[in-house]
Amino acid sequence: DTGVSQNPRHKITKRGQNVTFRCDPISEHNRLYWYRQTLGQGPEFLTYFQNEAQLEKSRLLSDRFSAERPKGSFSTLEIQRTEQGDSAMYLCASSLVVYEQFFGPGTRLTVL
Amino acid sequence: AQKITQTQPGMFVQEKEAVTLDCTYDTSDQSYGLFWYKQPSSGEMIFLIYQGSYDEQNATEGRYSLNFQKARKSANLVISASQLGDSAMYFCAMNSGNTGKLIFGQGTTLQVKP
Repeated sequence: DTGVSQNPRHKITKRGQNVTFRCDPISEHNRLYWYRQTLGQGPEFLTYFQNEAQLEKSRLLSDRFSAERPKGSFSTLEIQRTEQGDSAMYLCASSLVVYEQFFGPGTRLTVL
Repeated sequence: AQKITQTQPGMFVQEKEAVTLDCTYDTSDQSYGLFWYKQPSSGEMIFLIYQGSYDEQNATEGRYSLNFQKARKSANLVISASQLGDSAMYFCAMNSGNTGKLIFGQGTTLQVKP
């Protein structure tokens, strides 16, 4: 499978716990994006990497959120001290050029 | 600021008929791109079609076509010969600038009736 993959697909956690999600982009795609989608809404941009550099962060990305892309390959998104409002689908996308963007299956987070 | 507006929360269409999903956008940028994605109940975002702001012809991909009217800032998706498998949420999105980040609309739920 050469598409974008995300793990885990589902995560249930208790409020206050830390969680980490992983995204593996399509091979050789230098651009990587994270989005968050709540029920009934369109995805909202969180952050963007070009290779290993994090070039843009949304103000939605509070200081409890951190993202990395070591060596410009896979990326991780960590949420510290989770809150119920963090419950959402977290989507990762990758691209080689600006006129395409391919999404992974997402990680659905439920914070109890 | 950029904005995407999808005014149809839900649409019904009879199988084998064509349907148009509306999308209007707002931007002050001269160079931008418009996207349509399909999101079935499984949650994955499936890329359907792309239109660049400088493209003179409307984009087409199989049964999907994008009716791009630049002066009216609209980018409607036309699905011809609807199939039951087309039932899903459809999102219009726009990008601009160097990062390519997407701004999404609220989505339209399409239900295809047999």
